[in-house]
Amino acid sequence: DIQMTQSPSALSASVGDSVSFTCRASQSISNCLNWYQLKPGKAPKLLLSNAATLQSGVPSRFSGSGSGTDYTLTISSLQPEDFATYYCQQSYYTPWTFGQGTKVEIK
Amino acid sequence: EVQLVESGGGLVQPGGSLRLSCAASGFTFSDHYMDWVRQAPGKGLEWLGRTRNKPNSDTTEYAASVKGRFTISRDDSKNSLYLQMNGLKTEDTAVYYCAREKSYSQYSSGWYVYYYYMDVWGKGTTVTVSS
Repeated sequence: DIQMTQSPSALSASVGDSVSFTCRASQSISNCLNWYQLKPGKAPKLLLSNAATLQSGVPSRFSGSGSGTDYTLTISSLQPEDFATYYCQQSYYTPWTFGQGTKVEIK
Repeated sequence: EVQLVESGGGLVQPGGSLRLSCAASGFTFSDHYMDWVRQAPGKGLEWLGRTRNKPNSDTTEYAASVKGRFTISRDDSKNSLYLQMNGLKTEDTAVYYCAREKSYSQYSSGWYVYYYYMDVWGKGTTVTVSS
């Protein structure tokens, strides 16, 4: 199975800050990398697919980059609704695997 | 509105069984692969398995942690996805989500790369395994 490692596991930031966090795969996954946002009691939300394709309705302050084994999610100008936990997921081959998550907290 | 709604969660004793359902609306259910994902308390997301649609052989795949205990099925006539869980363990306690899977292919460097992603999720149903 492909192991996904996210860092950091948590970070504190203020509204308006720009934050980035990373996801590393145990082998090259050819941009087959998705990012999701989770909030308690809500349905998980797909933010980006194939590393950098922003989903319809997702604000442009979210962006993704990377290649090979290393990927980054950046949120420019954090908004109050962005405080949540973010997960990466590889879809290079099954079983699909997720990172352990990065929790973005209010400073 | 595209929507997935899970149901069937509850309290069950270790060794027991439970069947979860996922009702789909707002899209052509039979066109899509469907997945189950769970999140145990204080833990991350764990993919459990998927079912392909009929044009793609209607087959299923499972994570090793549930293979042989859990069975995924679908009824396209009812726009519904199911997860039959047998031999439940305390570590199966989690919120269970169903998700719609989409894919597309891109020709790159001499071959096609297939991108898969779970674009629509339900809010989940809670399963507690405890005596």
